[in-house]
Amino acid sequence: GAGVSQSPSNKVTEKGKDVELRCDPISGHTALYWYRQSLGQGLEFLIYFQGNSAPDKSGLPSDRFSAERTGGSVSTLTIQRTQQEDSAVYLCASSLARSSGNTIYFGEGSWLTVV
Amino acid sequence: QKEVEQNSGPLSVPEGAIASLNCTYSDRVSQSFFWYRQYSGKSPELIMSIYSNGDKEDGRFTAQLNKASQYVSLLIRDSQPSDSATYLCAVNAGNNRKLIWGLGTSLAVNP
Repeated sequence: GAGVSQSPSNKVTEKGKDVELRCDPISGHTALYWYRQSLGQGLEFLIYFQGNSAPDKSGLPSDRFSAERTGGSVSTLTIQRTQQEDSAVYLCASSLARSSGNTIYFGEGSWLTVV
Repeated sequence: QKEVEQNSGPLSVPEGAIASLNCTYSDRVSQSFFWYRQYSGKSPELIMSIYSNGDKEDGRFTAQLNKASQYVSLLIRDSQPSDSATYLCAVNAGNNRKLIWGLGTSLAVNP
């Protein structure tokens, strides 16, 4: 597609439920990133994919968070047993590769509210 | 010391003035530098990238890079109320390295 596409755009879930957030990167982009941004806060790196592998998972906050990428394209971020502190906007971004000169482009985000 | 530092602001300038946004970074081997703009409730969008020392101009925006002093700045000429946003500085230390983000500077352009 023309840009990074994320779904759902908004999700309200009850504490303890699992949620799945989807990201469809720009066509041809091999690098994919997930970030989290809480209200009024900076960007928090979660995980990076190169193709289908995740060489950098250092930002995942707990084992309730996991992500996968299939076919070198779509990625899913799963949060199990959601907690109220998980409420944030989850931003997906992609770039041609992780080389230093490559610009990353963001999707519009998935706004998660845990009640 | 944070890896990428920005003054959180808010930076307030009158319409038509020059807004100057600064960013310092700690990793001397940093190679690529990016400025993103983020409107409230929206995702970041790229304004400019710069890789070499000196100035790079794009319309009303000028990025300035000084690797010896480890800072990168963004100048916005003829500031408009529509420029009111948070400006994020991002720095990459090299191939296969993580992009490091500043916390952003909030800019308010007053009509």
